[in-house]
Amino acid sequence: ETGVTQTPRHLVMGMTNKKSLKCEQHLGHNAMYWYKQSAKKPLELMFVYSLEERVENNSVPSRFSPECPNSSHLFLHLHTLQPEDSALYLCASSQWSSGGGVDTQYFGPGTRLTVL
Amino acid sequence: SQKIEQNSEALNIQEGKTATLTCNYTNYSPAYLQWYRQDPGRGPVFLLLIRENEKEKRKERLKVTFDTTLKQSLFHITASQPADSATYLCALDEVNYGGATNKLIFGTGTLLAVQP
Repeated sequence: ETGVTQTPRHLVMGMTNKKSLKCEQHLGHNAMYWYKQSAKKPLELMFVYSLEERVENNSVPSRFSPECPNSSHLFLHLHTLQPEDSALYLCASSQWSSGGGVDTQYFGPGTRLTVL
Repeated sequence: SQKIEQNSEALNIQEGKTATLTCNYTNYSPAYLQWYRQDPGRGPVFLLLIRENEKEKRKERLKVTFDTTLKQSLFHITASQPADSATYLCALDEVNYGGATNKLIFGTGTLLAVQP
């Protein structure tokens, strides 16, 4: 768990609040990911960054805004969220290879987000 | 699009028995398939990876099989222990027309409960 850290672990926010989730990886990886995990649903990939450049954005609402200032840090900025956005938000990292090689992902502990 | 099916019902077994979890996919055969373990409120942890040209992979008490004809992977835990109780996720690499990608598609997971 110390390979990928996330803060805060729990967050309760109102629909009009602005907050940010932080992720840091200590594994020397070059790709980072944000996932959303809701009850009884599979992990939903939200954003992928490779070498600090966003390479994937799975039609996520604009109220979620990612930021990747360097290969070790990833943020998810939240504003005017809806109650249905309540979920576990997971950050992961991996070593990206342009040839599409094996991509084992290392996850952080997640942030449990509750939107009131 | 690729879909992964894992038994959504919990699997309850007695300590010492072998647990067998199933992962079925519906579309193309992936280049590789991975199994992760997830404990409540935590991020998934990588366990095993098996490639499309491998029939079986073992790691200590864990064994994974991969049958591309049946489009199925089986995950076995022998001599199960209460500490093995967790949700087990199956994940496949996403393939597009350009070949394998570095994106993973996850199943919803199967909850395993090992009774002492």
